[in-house]
Amino acid sequence: GAGVSQTPSNKVTEKGKYVELRCDPISGHTALYWYRQSLGQGPEFLIYFQGTGAADDSGLPNDRFFAVRPEGSVSTLKIQRTERGDSAVYLCASSLLRSSYNEQFFGPGTRLTVL
Amino acid sequence: DAKTTQPPSMDCAEGRAANLPCNHSTISGNEYVYWYRQIHSQGPQYIIHGLKNNETNEMASLIITEDRKSSTLILPHATLRDTAVYYCIVRVYGGSQGNLIFGKGTKLSVKP
Repeated sequence: GAGVSQTPSNKVTEKGKYVELRCDPISGHTALYWYRQSLGQGPEFLIYFQGTGAADDSGLPNDRFFAVRPEGSVSTLKIQRTERGDSAVYLCASSLLRSSYNEQFFGPGTRLTVL
Repeated sequence: DAKTTQPPSMDCAEGRAANLPCNHSTISGNEYVYWYRQIHSQGPQYIIHGLKNNETNEMASLIITEDRKSSTLILPHATLRDTAVYYCIVRVYGGSQGNLIFGKGTKLSVKP
């Protein structure tokens, strides 16, 4: 079956612009996660959805970052007034349940470059 | 911060066993040990997890010491495709946080 998909695979934007990154989780997965990965580092947690609601957004770095999941499936990560420091690979993952017993399935990521 | 310590890099000859160590000396009784790996330009991939007993699946074996303060991931016959960054993660079962906390992992290079 289809895995987690993310679009676009690459996004180049200019400082100050607005960007949207999309994640399509595995069908039926209720939990969805966004992570950010800078070069040479492990993924860093941003936000976690259980269904439509953000259960934990403690990893969002500031109020320029926002994410939605209006129908409990597809999620969009939105970044306003992008800065060069936002350049990273943004990873999305989904899992069946919130419990730590359930493995997370990751997408290939969106590479964001802010010029 | 990550609760685990791993060597930054390791080499392994193709066809030999790769043994990747992980220290988690502050692990709590209700925390599991998880291993993920990330092949270049891909998202992380789940490998295996365990609580206190040794575990084996089609990908790897996980050996957890009796005091649970360290563990070893074993790839019994490493191939070139096993070249990746391997992450050891400890996580509470059924805890309030669903996210994984990644460290820098171990970069495993399998050489012909």
